[in-house]
Amino acid sequence: RKEVEQDPGPFNVPEGATVAFNCTYSNSASQSFFWYRQDCRKEPKLLMSVYSSGNEDGRFTAQLNRASQYISLLIRDSKLSDSATYLCVVPSGGYNKLIFGAGTRLAVHP
Amino acid sequence: ETGVTQTPRHLVMGMTNKKSLKCEQHLGHNAMYWYKQSAKKPLELMFVYSLEERVENNSVPSRFSPECPNSSHLFLHLHTLQPEDSALYLCASSQDWRATNYGYTFGSGTRLTVV
Repeated sequence: RKEVEQDPGPFNVPEGATVAFNCTYSNSASQSFFWYRQDCRKEPKLLMSVYSSGNEDGRFTAQLNRASQYISLLIRDSKLSDSATYLCVVPSGGYNKLIFGAGTRLAVHP
Repeated sequence: ETGVTQTPRHLVMGMTNKKSLKCEQHLGHNAMYWYKQSAKKPLELMFVYSLEERVENNSVPSRFSPECPNSSHLFLHLHTLQPEDSALYLCASSQDWRATNYGYTFGSGTRLTVV
């Protein structure tokens, strides 16, 4: 099993839609998790952190299910500017090493 | 200047050339990382530096040679690269290597093309 697995998409949704991405991880000892956003040919940027059961920030909600070892990201009322690749990120080992998933691509259309 | 700065933004080099990538962070972070991102692939961890000491070399070929002269600067020296080394090279820093609840701050990356 890969350390971090994501559905690559793409998810093509209209503006205003609600869309959810899932991510599974293999290291049951991981404590905190992250969602990053990466625009085309740009660096990844931190979107949200998830430490306990979940976290909400405006239109974005991240949830964590430790028993099933998956993390989800929910985006409500999608905007055109939400179009990007969303990376699921899991710590692995010491020195704050982070393992990145391959990403899920989202395309929001008018 | 704040954040993580990488130079150059773009680099084209021949297989016999020697070049260096530079990364500088002004955030007071104590850990720095090099990642490689090839087309259609996830980010791959290359090197980890904690307090200027290399703590991980993730099976990276010796044609890539990192250097961390102080906690604010990180270099990646390149020599005799192969075309398959063409990729986006990303530098990142984290606030505290002992804590896993901080994410990374990334630089803008160097897009490397080996010809």
